[in-house]
Amino acid sequence: EDQVTQSPEALRLQEGESSSLNCSYTVSGLRGLFWYRQDPGKGPEFLFTLYSAGEEKEKERLKATLTKKESFLHITAPKPEDSATYLCAVQSGGYNKLIFGAGTRLAVHP
Amino acid sequence: GAVVSQHPSRVICKSGTSVKIECRSLDFQATTMFWYRQFPKQSLMLMATSNEGSKATYEQGVEKDKFLINHASLTLSTLTVTSAHPEDSSFYICSAFPGSTSYNEQFFGPGTRLTVL
Repeated sequence: EDQVTQSPEALRLQEGESSSLNCSYTVSGLRGLFWYRQDPGKGPEFLFTLYSAGEEKEKERLKATLTKKESFLHITAPKPEDSATYLCAVQSGGYNKLIFGAGTRLAVHP
Repeated sequence: GAVVSQHPSRVICKSGTSVKIECRSLDFQATTMFWYRQFPKQSLMLMATSNEGSKATYEQGVEKDKFLINHASLTLSTLTVTSAHPEDSSFYICSAFPGSTSYNEQFFGPGTRLTVL
């Protein structure tokens, strides 16, 4: 059975304090790994798609990396506006549906 | 591009009534749409997969007679919660999958907050 586990559940950072969020996965035939950001009371906002081990993608202060077992979302010098829940999801086999992890709630304090 | 809308954004209804939620892809055609439910401080739980012109595929444990899904066109899917009860109160989110070679991502709507009294 496909599984996605995110850690930590919650993370509190000071503004400018870089850190990483982890997403470990077990799937039969990874088609893609996705990172989304979700603000309270809103739908998830797409950030990145990663397809193969070794792939990296960057957007502003965020950088996503992928290995055969896990993905990391690195946040460099975060700002308070980066506070949100970050969701990881995988797509496997011949299916288009996503399987989500529980998310990491990030709070960045000034 | 890749904008998905939902209507209404918030609905409050009495127990026993039915509620319809619309999901539209505004600037692309969606071969597949998905419906999720999210309880407070929990992640998204897939309820069903909706393909244009065919019956929806429901996840295990989701009552298909209670959550009616209609995907009548390539830009519109609707979720009807029939005979809603307080335990159906939740945040319902749809996503749309363009299905083209350039996009493998799903794009999400802003969500609908359902409160059943």
